[in-house]
Amino acid sequence: DAGITQSPRHKVTETGTPVTLRCHQTENHRYMYWYRQDPGHGLRLIHYSYGVKDTDKGEVSDGYSVSRSKTEDFLLTLESATSSQTSVYFCAISEPPGLAFGELFFGEGSRLTVL
Amino acid sequence: AQSVTQLDSQVPVFEEAPVELRCNYSSSVSVYLFWYVQYPNQGLQLLLKYLSGSTLVKGINGFEAEFNKSQTSFHLRKPSVHISDTAEYFCAVSVFNQAGTALIFGKGTTLSVSS
Repeated sequence: DAGITQSPRHKVTETGTPVTLRCHQTENHRYMYWYRQDPGHGLRLIHYSYGVKDTDKGEVSDGYSVSRSKTEDFLLTLESATSSQTSVYFCAISEPPGLAFGELFFGEGSRLTVL
Repeated sequence: AQSVTQLDSQVPVFEEAPVELRCNYSSSVSVYLFWYVQYPNQGLQLLLKYLSGSTLVKGINGFEAEFNKSQTSFHLRKPSVHISDTAEYFCAVSVFNQAGTALIFGKGTTLSVSS
């Protein structure tokens, strides 16, 4: 299994509070991604990173920010959580040439509930 | 812009029956297409991929998919399913831009295999 660790795995928080999810990899892969998974919507790309301090927005980036100060860590921050951000969040990593072949390796997910 | 449509949200079948999970894509350029599988409470893993060449691609666990450019489809098939194939299946397409590559996923198809 790819060395990807997401933390926390489960979190319950209240509307308006900040939340940070962490993705840590031990594979030294260049690309890292954050997706959210919701029933009826599948997986939607939030943000991704193609190197240290290099990030780009995905399909559903509003309300989220990311940071990558080290190759191994990719942080997803909800500045002020809303109930619509209740979801399961997946981190994924990839490295060329595997990336060109769609080979993403996924973490086990972080379930966030915003009350 | 590339997009993926999975035509069935749920597919119930009996064990040892054949199954087809349907996926159509939309793209004005050449595409790379993928199927991922997600078992309960786990992250996603790559099932198979089409990059170029033979339109019939084989993946893990006895699955195969056929790329049909004229119909813009990439349907997943298995001649005889097992209980253990119960999972959610996602079709995905690569998106290339200046920042790099990301995968866009369909909404998923839940395959339920019963005895």
